[in-house]
Amino acid sequence: GQQVMQIPQYQHVQEGEDFTTYCNSSTTLSNIQWYKQRPGGHPVFLIQLVKSGEVKKQKRLTFQFGEAKKNSSLHITATQTTDVGTYFCAGPRRLANFGNEKLTFGTGTRLTIIP
Amino acid sequence: NAGVTQTPKFQVLKTGQSMTLQCAQDMNHEYMSWYRQDPGMGLRLIHYSVGAGITDQGEVPNGYNVSRSTTEDFPLRLLSAAPSQTSVYFCASSSRLAGDRDTQYFGPGTRLTVL
Repeated sequence: GQQVMQIPQYQHVQEGEDFTTYCNSSTTLSNIQWYKQRPGGHPVFLIQLVKSGEVKKQKRLTFQFGEAKKNSSLHITATQTTDVGTYFCAGPRRLANFGNEKLTFGTGTRLTIIP
Repeated sequence: NAGVTQTPKFQVLKTGQSMTLQCAQDMNHEYMSWYRQDPGMGLRLIHYSVGAGITDQGEVPNGYNVSRSTTEDFPLRLLSAAPSQTSVYFCASSSRLAGDRDTQYFGPGTRLTVL
């Protein structure tokens, strides 16, 4: 079945350093989503990428969708303490009758910031 | 709008007990899902529903039952709790609108411990 792998599992960075997490799928994805989960909280939707090679930015966050639509990355420039949390990618698993209703989540990358 | 609500927030069960985790959403979303989150394993889909009266299994359905009698509510039942079901459970909803399809809105979670 479809798998979504995410690396690294953990990342510790000094405040102000950059951070990148990578997501790879075994199959082509129709779209990819990114979520952030603060410690003790619930996942919150960040963004969705749909087009091959698409790049989107949200302030210090840059999201990329690979040309083959099988991989994606999230890059944070100049990390801040507010960036602490776990970042998940998720790709939809197409069903025969109902379209894209099931998401497969990556295992997540837990980001900690050293002040 | 309250969004997605879950009760209880915390629960401790003894092995063999049964209970129901409640989930409700007030966004009139057609799709609702239950996930469990375990350390190092990301979010795994338990059951999902594409509308009232329609449910289907996800990746890890064993030991859980669901029903969807209304658009708003999607309870998850543990039939006979086992220590392996100790986890954080998240309910999520999403809309079938083309621009918002697949985007999951998560509830705050229920932290379940089975002794």
